[in-house]
Amino acid sequence: EAGVAQSPRYKIIEKRQSVAFWCNPISGHATLYWYQQILGQGPKLLIQFQNNGVVDDSQLPKDRFSAERLKGVDSTLKIQPAKLEDSAVYLCASSLDRGRELFFGEGSRLTVL
Amino acid sequence: GDSVTQMEGPVTLSEEAFLTINCTYTATGYPSLFWYVQYPGEGLQLLLKATKADDKGSNKGFEATYRKETTSFHLEKGSVQVSDSAVYFCALSESNYQLIWGAGTKLIIKP
Repeated sequence: EAGVAQSPRYKIIEKRQSVAFWCNPISGHATLYWYQQILGQGPKLLIQFQNNGVVDDSQLPKDRFSAERLKGVDSTLKIQPAKLEDSAVYLCASSLDRGRELFFGEGSRLTVL
Repeated sequence: GDSVTQMEGPVTLSEEAFLTINCTYTATGYPSLFWYVQYPGEGLQLLLKATKADDKGSNKGFEATYRKETTSFHLEKGSVQVSDSAVYFCALSESNYQLIWGAGTKLIIKP
């Protein structure tokens, strides 16, 4: 069974530029999560989708971050404009349903210069 | 609010040594507790979990017991291997299923 796929694995941009990350969850998984993991910290939930609806986006900086999961399958996370403090690994995870085990992708490492 | 505190790393041990990584938590209810592991260059993966007090989670030789009286979920392994080198995260989940994470503990095992 294929795991959670993310791309790109690495991205370097300058501040004020934009970036987009893509995630394809495990087939059949209804719940999709985007986390931000800053070096030396645990993951912080940015947004959680249940199918194509948003369950929780309370920690998403909505002035610069946006995410969508239009057909309830894959998802994109966008940052525009990027700030230096956005440098982090962006993790996508999926689960069969809410409360079930999370499966993580390898992450997308963003460096903002 | 809920929180998870784990011992700071890196923790450096020799192969076959005994491992303990401490994890304590604060929660308003009765959370489920988890240990996740992140091997170099890989994604996070669930190592073990416990859903109620006195439960013991175990996997790959690792164990952790849910201690409600001390609000702890310490990770242990009797004899570590070089391949156990990774970052270990303790986490909890309450009824809303949101995971609250510790900061992670880097484990380095030397041959």
